[in-house]
Amino acid sequence: DTGVSQDPRHKITKRGQNVTFRCDPISEHNRLYWYRQTLGQGPEFLTYFQNEAQLEKSRLLSDRFSAERPKGSFSTLEIQRTEQGDSAMYLCASRGGGANYGYTFGSGTRLTVV
Amino acid sequence: AQTVTQSQPEMSVQEAETVTLSCTYDTSESDYYLFWYKQPPSRQMILVIRQEAYKQQNATENRFSVNFQKAAKSFSLKISDSQLGDAAMYFCAYRDGSGGSNYKLTFGKGTLLTVNP
Repeated sequence: DTGVSQDPRHKITKRGQNVTFRCDPISEHNRLYWYRQTLGQGPEFLTYFQNEAQLEKSRLLSDRFSAERPKGSFSTLEIQRTEQGDSAMYLCASRGGGANYGYTFGSGTRLTVV
Repeated sequence: AQTVTQSQPEMSVQEAETVTLSCTYDTSESDYYLFWYKQPPSRQMILVIRQEAYKQQNATENRFSVNFQKAAKSFSLKISDSQLGDAAMYFCAYRDGSGGSNYKLTFGKGTLLTVNP
């Protein structure tokens, strides 16, 4: 297993455009998380999937953000009508079930909105 | 809501010396986990060490150890015999022990560690 993969690594987009990021978790992990990390801050929770079900969304996830995890495998995070404030690193992480399972993070997608 | 505070935005250490990174947290839960994560530049976040709140013994992983003071809600990381490869951003993180929180992590703002040769 190659760990958690995120694509693309970097994305530059113009304000107002839509962008979509992809995360491929570790295959046997049924839990998947998205976090956002802005400059000088620690990662902040965005949303959580258990299998294909999106079970929790942060208030940080405005209506312009949508995430999916079809068939409980890879996940996508889409941002519509991007704003400069969306510029950040978007991290994906996966873990197995139970309290003792640890997270595995991907390398992140760095979004720059110009 | 749980909060995690890292009061040292930056720290530096000489190679082979020891450095301690500070972290405090706030929670009303009795069952929780604490973590230190390392994030090298442009690389993925990796787990350095974790501590279960119910364990009195401080966790150690090779050159990394923690000082967990539950009553004071303090969780510091000590890096011994610092190496150039230890240079990174270090994040302290908290997670509830119960599944009701969906096991999501709450992070501090991070401490940027520089190791000087």
